[in-house]
Amino acid sequence: AQSVTQLGSHVSVSEGALVLLRCNYSSSVPPYLFWYVQYPNQGLQLLLKYTSAATLVKGINGFEAEFKKSETSFHLTKPSAHMSDAAEYFCAVSLSSGGSYIPTFGRGTSLIVHP
Amino acid sequence: DTAVSQTPKYLVTQMGNDKSIKCEQNLGHDTMYWYKQDSKKFLKIMFSYNNKELIINETVPNRFSPKSPDKAHLNLHINSLELGDSAVYFCASRSMGQFNSPLHFGNGTRLTVT
Repeated sequence: AQSVTQLGSHVSVSEGALVLLRCNYSSSVPPYLFWYVQYPNQGLQLLLKYTSAATLVKGINGFEAEFKKSETSFHLTKPSAHMSDAAEYFCAVSLSSGGSYIPTFGRGTSLIVHP
Repeated sequence: DTAVSQTPKYLVTQMGNDKSIKCEQNLGHDTMYWYKQDSKKFLKIMFSYNNKELIINETVPNRFSPKSPDKAHLNLHINSLELGDSAVYFCASRSMGQFNSPLHFGNGTRLTVT
């Protein structure tokens, strides 16, 4: 079965520093991968998704992710963190089950940005 | 315009009570979901409906009963509430036709059982 693993429940960076949030998936076929962001007291919103058209995917708010099949990874990066990036980030994959696709989430990584 | 809306936003109730959460989407999506987010932010799928038909029913106590009157609405009724039901419940929708179509979430209902 496919699943995603997010390494690090918390990541702390200084404002202006590189952001790297890790996500590894387990699958034998190209998966349907997503990154979502959750700001406090809000629902999740899509940052970006892997479409197989390109391995480097650009999303909103300056975030991007690179699909690496050899490493089964889909890490999220941003060159320069901003205070407003502080939020919970979720990697997700659509699991195939009985003809349906079940969106399944990693356990999330809390991004803390220090001034 | 709110795409996926849930009501109420907060729900505080006592053990043993019955409560409902309502969800509506105006995106024209054919598939809707309920997710439960616990205190550690873990998101677990509970149910999914496609065109009013139940297609996913994870191991959820049968005190939880979803109902979809039409494809734009998916409500969640909870009987005999327990302390462990305290969580944030999220409704979401997506278009089933595209495998990589993303989920659109409501802002959640924070349920507190005392």
